[in-house]
Amino acid sequence: SQTIHQWPATLVQPVGSPLSLECTVEGTSNPNLYWYRQAAGRGLQLLFYSVGIGQISSEVPQNLSASRPQDRQFILSSKKLLLSDSGFYLCAWSPGQGSIIEKLFFGSGTQLSVL
Amino acid sequence: SQQGEEDPQALSIQEGENATMNCSYKTSINNLQWYRQNSGRGLVHLILIRSNEREKHSGRLRVTLDTSKKSSSLLITASRAADTASYFCATGGFTGGFKTIFGAGTRLFVKA
Repeated sequence: SQTIHQWPATLVQPVGSPLSLECTVEGTSNPNLYWYRQAAGRGLQLLFYSVGIGQISSEVPQNLSASRPQDRQFILSSKKLLLSDSGFYLCAWSPGQGSIIEKLFFGSGTQLSVL
Repeated sequence: SQQGEEDPQALSIQEGENATMNCSYKTSINNLQWYRQNSGRGLVHLILIRSNEREKHSGRLRVTLDTSKKSSSLLITASRAADTASYFCATGGFTGGFKTIFGAGTRLFVKA
């Protein structure tokens, strides 16, 4: 069966420090991978998605970047965190076959507090 | 920009009552999905309805889709305290291809 691992669960970082959040998927190959951010009590904002190794599409952020060094690994990074980067970060995957997405599988999330 | 918009934003009901949440969207879709999120956790997929379907059932869940009005509803029957969570609709479809866009969610509180 497929599983998704996301870590760390919580993170407190000072403003200006770097960030690296990692997500790995097991039990499937060539998944579509996603990073979402959720502000407290709000909906999900799509940050990045990837349909293959080295293929990253950016939706919004100026201060964040994503990389996919391996088929089932997705990394979210920042060189210098801002206060506005605080939030709940969620990694997700969907089967890579076809272009219509019918179901996302989410990790357990990382609560990031930038102080 | 958000594709799905849920209402109400928050809903408080007694155990045993039915809960109805609505979702509106803006563009053509291939399907609409509903997810559940417990506080501080990841989202869990509940049910999918395709654009050529009007109604689907799964246990105590009933989803309807009206593509002419670009709206969907999620009905949870005989609610339980354990149904307390946030519920999100999400659209996946032709626009954007690989992107699934979520609404702001409805926070449901079921009182025991």
